[in-house]
Amino acid sequence: QVQLQQSGPGLVKPSQTLSLTCAISGDSVSSNSAAWNWIRQSPSRGLEWLGRTYYRSSWYNAYAVSVKSRITINADTSKNQFSLQLNSMTPEDTAVYYCARSSFYYNRWGQGTLVTVSS
Amino acid sequence: DIVMTQSPDSLAVSLGERATINCKSSQSVLYNSNNKNYLAWYQQKPGQPPNLLIYWASTRESGVPDRFSGSGSGTDFTLTISSLQAEDVAVYYCQQYFSTPYAFGQGTKLEIK
Repeated sequence: QVQLQQSGPGLVKPSQTLSLTCAISGDSVSSNSAAWNWIRQSPSRGLEWLGRTYYRSSWYNAYAVSVKSRITINADTSKNQFSLQLNSMTPEDTAVYYCARSSFYYNRWGQGTLVTVSS
Repeated sequence: DIVMTQSPDSLAVSLGERATINCKSSQSVLYNSNNKNYLAWYQQKPGQPPNLLIYWASTRESGVPDRFSGSGSGTDFTLTISSLQAEDVAVYYCQQYFSTPYAFGQGTKLEIK
């Protein structure tokens, strides 16, 4: 059974960087058939896909246009996890952040992390 | 980008009755080469992440009760709950995975009448 466990802070100051990690059990971050995603949810934006990383003989990333200049998603094969870094946080980035596994559709989700951007 | 629009925004149905939620995509999500619709449905209860119910528009995820069914093709899709149970109170989302960004609908809140 694939499980995803998120960790990271729930409070970030404006202009600072958000860092979240998603630990994978029951699958490999290097799987050739899965992608590893970050998605956020807020009342104003709904469910918004932010980006993903995946391995198909090489590592690939894809990012949403809305955050492309501020986002980095990395995989750590030694720890079987992947991470999100989102720079220059503003109050508009306040949301519940989820990691999720996909093979086309999202079939496993992390528990979610409420991230509040406030001084 | 493909935009997903659900209707209605909210719905109240009596226990044991049928609930129907609609989802429309701004472009077709049918991939002609394999005749598959790249459309999924999720259920989200308060304080929980979304839970996959249906993929390929009509394939139920393992463990999902058979009162949940999906139908439709191209741009118009429907999620049907044949006999509403109390535990089905939730927000339901459709999502296309035909092209990035893989957009979700705005959600339909389902309540008991």
